[in-house]
Amino acid sequence: QQPVQSPQAVILREGEDAVINCSSSKALYSVHWYRQKHGEAPVFLMILLKGGEQKGHEKISASFNEKKQQSSLYLTASQLSYSGTYFCGTEARSQGNLIFGKGTKLSVKP
Amino acid sequence: EAQVTQNPRYLITVTGKKLTVTCSQNMNHEYMSWYRQDPGLGLRQIYYSMNVEVTDKGDVPEGYKVSRKEKRNFPLILESPSPNQTSLYFCASSPRLLGETQYFGPGTRLLVL
Repeated sequence: QQPVQSPQAVILREGEDAVINCSSSKALYSVHWYRQKHGEAPVFLMILLKGGEQKGHEKISASFNEKKQQSSLYLTASQLSYSGTYFCGTEARSQGNLIFGKGTKLSVKP
Repeated sequence: EAQVTQNPRYLITVTGKKLTVTCSQNMNHEYMSWYRQDPGLGLRQIYYSMNVEVTDKGDVPEGYKVSRKEKRNFPLILESPSPNQTSLYFCASSPRLLGETQYFGPGTRLLVL
């Protein structure tokens, strides 16, 4: 029931783009995306709700395919500050039970 | 400053010695949750609370207890800690139902010997 994230790790050069995927075997109500830097707490990026539109935040955006129960996080023109581990969290119903994937480690090199 | 606070930040204890990790938020949030984070496993939800006096089990509730007597506080209780509860623990809160931004506390690193 834990969502599956892919890839597990990715290394980029500054300015390159990346896509992180999150797939669930269950019907989803919402998908949450967080970024965590080493030694710090996770930080919220965005939420996608069932029936909602694609979200965007500067050069980071995400989509939610309800039919496939998949979400993708798009990072464009990556910056050094994008480095960290990205987690998706899925919610099957609006009831508070949030299940996270194992994370995708993103490293951006100069 | 709007924040979620946890205490203690670091704790070393021995098997069987009861302990409590406190969590407090000053944002009047209704939803609060506890997670543990272990290498390679990501974040796993322990318990969550939709409002005062309402708590529900997450995915890994065994060995833990919680209470929500006040809106701002959500303590995590380990009645008889065991070494497999050695982990990094995060408390988090959200304004209402879990469809909004969730704010995480700084984390509590627990070592059970």
